Amino acid sequence: SQQGEEDPQALSIQEGENATMNCSYKTSINNLQWYRQNSGRGLVHLILIRSNEREKHSGRLRVTLDTSKKSSSLLITASRAADTASYFCATGGSYIPTFGRGTSLIVHP
Amino acid sequence: NAGVMQNPRHLVRRRGQEARLRCSPMKGHSHVYWYRQLPEEGLKFMVYLQKENIIDESGMPKERFSAEFPKEGPSILRIQQVVRGDSAAYFCASSPPSGRTDTQYFGPGTRLTVL
Repeated sequence: SQQGEEDPQALSIQEGENATMNCSYKTSINNLQWYRQNSGRGLVHLILIRSNEREKHSGRLRVTLDTSKKSSSLLITASRAADTASYFCATGGSYIPTFGRGTSLIVHP
Repeated sequence: NAGVMQNPRHLVRRRGQEARLRCSPMKGHSHVYWYRQLPEEGLKFMVYLQKENIIDESGMPKERFSAEFPKEGPSILRIQQVVRGDSAAYFCASSPPSGRTDTQYFGPGTRLTVL
């Protein structure tokens, strides 16, 4: 299975701190994507990193990919209360991304 | 440019009734995907459709569930004779006709409650 598994399952931090979430997967991938889901809402695409890339930035987001370890990390710097959400990684092999269970992030104001 | 639209946003059905969930993809998108999300779980792929074709239905339960994406109109996910275990959030996503999907754009979901 290509399913990504996020770690930790839950993360609670104070506003201004950095939040790091990890994703591990089992088989080779073409790309890996991170999504955010606010409570009761649909998923919002955050960033895609391809298998030949090692790091990618988007605003306060930094994603790394280590294909040798089959893992990725999502770093949110200077977190805000509005970052409170669940974060999912999705691994893409063919055309169907496979989602993990997500990391629930709570940022306390 | 409107995003992916799903309706209804909330649907309540009694056991044995039928549920019809609709998804209108983003303008210009011809690929539609349906996912199911149980509480505290990730999204589980159900089916991938292009116009008038089911490309991959490996995640669909064998019975009671069907999906279509007609030439005109929205994609429909139909659940016949619903049971309590069908209660979940159902998300639709769409992507452009690139032939190989990189990014999917998600709708807000339909929350189905079976009484």
